[in-house]
Amino acid sequence: EDQVTQSPEALRLQEGESSSLNCSYTVSGLRGLFWYRQDPGKGPEFLFTLYSAGEEKEKERLKATLTKKESFLHITAPKPEDSATYLCAVQSGSARQLTFGSGTQLTVLP
Amino acid sequence: SAVISQKPSRDICQRGTSLTIQCQVDSQVTMMFWYRQQPGQSLTLIATANQGSEATYESGFVIDKFPISRPNLTFSTLTVSNMSPEDSSIYLCSVARRHMNTEAFFGQGTRLTVV
Repeated sequence: EDQVTQSPEALRLQEGESSSLNCSYTVSGLRGLFWYRQDPGKGPEFLFTLYSAGEEKEKERLKATLTKKESFLHITAPKPEDSATYLCAVQSGSARQLTFGSGTQLTVLP
Repeated sequence: SAVISQKPSRDICQRGTSLTIQCQVDSQVTMMFWYRQQPGQSLTLIATANQGSEATYESGFVIDKFPISRPNLTFSTLTVSNMSPEDSSIYLCSVARRHMNTEAFFGQGTRLTVV
């Protein structure tokens, strides 16, 4: 059974204070690891998909990396508008559905 | 990417009634999924909506409680039947295309409150 664990559960940063969110996973045959951003009352917004260890992807202040056991979402010089819940999910084997972690609630203070 | 429209965006329902949620996609997609997000929790897969055949349900979810239809490649419905307050959640439609390395996109969700 696929498992995804995200840490920390909540993170408060000052504007400009860089940090990283962690996503540890256990799957039988990783097909893809997904990062989403979710604002209150809205559906998850797709950010990245990573497919193999060593892969990195960037989008504005966000950078996602992947190893064989975990993924990191690095946030560089965050702004208050980056405040949201960040969700990690995995897709394994021949399946197309996703197994989600519990999320990290990020708050960036001005 | 895909543009996904879910209706209604929110509803307040009486216990014992049923609500049908619609999911419309702007292009043909192979895979459609329904997820539930209970208050303060992450997403849990309810079922995979299969075109022209019965949906595939995950453990803990049954067709009598969550009947699903998918008449074509761009539309699906999820019904929450005989509702109780424990069914109060956000229900989300997700789509993906059946080929290697495909992203999954979500609708805006339906916020359901059962009173």
